[in-house]
Amino acid sequence: GAVVSQHPSWVICKSGTSVKIECRSLDFQATTMFWYRQFPKQSLMLMATSNEGSKATYEQGVEKDKFLINHASLTLSTLTVTSAHPEDSSFYICSAVVGGSGNQPQHFGDGTRLSIL
Amino acid sequence: SQQGEEDPQALSIQEGENATMNCSYKTSINNLQWYRQNSGRGLVHLILIRSNEREKHSGRLRVTLDTSKKSSSLLITASRAADTASYFCATETKGANNLFFGTGTRLTVIP
Repeated sequence: GAVVSQHPSWVICKSGTSVKIECRSLDFQATTMFWYRQFPKQSLMLMATSNEGSKATYEQGVEKDKFLINHASLTLSTLTVTSAHPEDSSFYICSAVVGGSGNQPQHFGDGTRLSIL
Repeated sequence: SQQGEEDPQALSIQEGENATMNCSYKTSINNLQWYRQNSGRGLVHLILIRSNEREKHSGRLRVTLDTSKKSSSLLITASRAADTASYFCATETKGANNLFFGTGTRLTVIP
């Protein structure tokens, strides 16, 4: 149980393109989802916390207008990288918590590798 | 930054040996969690230990937590080649359910 599906797994696109990444909880409802960014051989950096039906909470230094997050249902959150540039190339990973409360493990998608040419 | 530190950064051992990874953090926590990540993949949850717990076991995994020293350790006993991966600790602070990840340990188990 507690499966999170992330799509697409790999994206290569031209500079200036906007890219949408989907994160779905397949067998549970997730009131809260998280978006992370990971550079090669580095740790995960939390970008934002996505709450169903409300605005996302962004971490310091993350541009809200650059990384648009929508959590319109209890099973889907999307991250849109707007007007992507080469410096946005990275590994993006989402996660979800069953029930949205504390003291619960996070369940991760398999990540999306974004390459901007 | 709330990011924790892990050591060693990289660890290479022979199959059958034990592997120990350490994690230090900076803030008061609700719990500490350990995750595993295979190259290019998402993370898999291993163990969650709450702030009022000192030790927890799961199969070949043993986790300890010392809140006075703000540190935790992950022990993998009788390692296997399939244990080769990166291991991350992550802390959940009180009043929040987001996680802050440590720098990770890259474990290589040589068959």
